[in-house]
Amino acid sequence: DAGITQSPRHKVTETGTPVTLRCHQTENHRYMYWYRQDPGHGLRLIHYSYGVKDTDKGEVSDGYSVSRSKTEDFLLTLESATSSQTSVYFCAISVGQEDGYTFGSGTRLTVV
Amino acid sequence: KQEVTQIPAALSVPEGENLVLNCSFTDSAIYNLQWFRQDPGKGLTSLLLIQSSQREQTSGRLNASLDKSSGRSTLYIAASQPGDSATYLCAAFLLPPQGGSEKLVFGKGTKLTVNP
Repeated sequence: DAGITQSPRHKVTETGTPVTLRCHQTENHRYMYWYRQDPGHGLRLIHYSYGVKDTDKGEVSDGYSVSRSKTEDFLLTLESATSSQTSVYFCAISVGQEDGYTFGSGTRLTVV
Repeated sequence: KQEVTQIPAALSVPEGENLVLNCSFTDSAIYNLQWFRQDPGKGLTSLLLIQSSQREQTSGRLNASLDKSSGRSTLYIAASQPGDSATYLCAAFLLPPQGGSEKLVFGKGTKLTVNP
C-alpha cells in the first residue's frame, strides 16, 4: 500500500531463532500497529506504538517485542520463534486512534 | 468481552445482484467503524470509514451504514461484479464499558463470491 511497506514479504525460519519484521511508513503518522492474522481467529493486535519509544501491548503480545526509534519505522521481534507464531503479520498506521487505519501488504512467516 | 460479528461467513451470488453484508458489535461505545476488503494472499484495503457522528458513507457502488443504538453496520454492494469477490472485514473502534483504553476489534469476515 502507498505510504507503508513491510519487509520481508516472506520468511521461513527455524524454531528457536530470533526474527525481526520491519514496517516502514512515509506518512508521518503517529500510530503504528502490528497484527497477526490466523484462520479462525481473524486479526489480533500484538503491539502498538503511539510515538517514538512509546509502545504498548495488545491482546497477543507474549513472545513478541517491538521497538520504534524513529517515527517511520516500527520493528516486531520474535525473540525465539515457535511454530505457533507461524502466521501472516500485518502492520497498520493511523493519524489518531479514532481515525481510519491503513494496512501494509503483510509478511508471511513460517516457523519450521 | 467485546466482539464484532459478521454474518454470513460466506455468501455466493450471481453477477448483477444487490447484496448486504452485516456487522454487529456488543456492549460498547463506538468511535467509528471501518470496512475493509481483503483479496486472497493480500493485505487489507480500506473501503469506507464511518465516524461516530455519521450514519453512512458512500463510495461508488458501496454504501455503509452505522446504527449505534442497535449495534449494527451494513455494507451494501449494488450491481455486484465478479471483481467484487473477496473477503470483507468490518472493524469497530470501541470503548470498553468497564473502562480501559479504546481498541479496534475486527470481525472474522464475510467471504463473497460473485459468479459470472
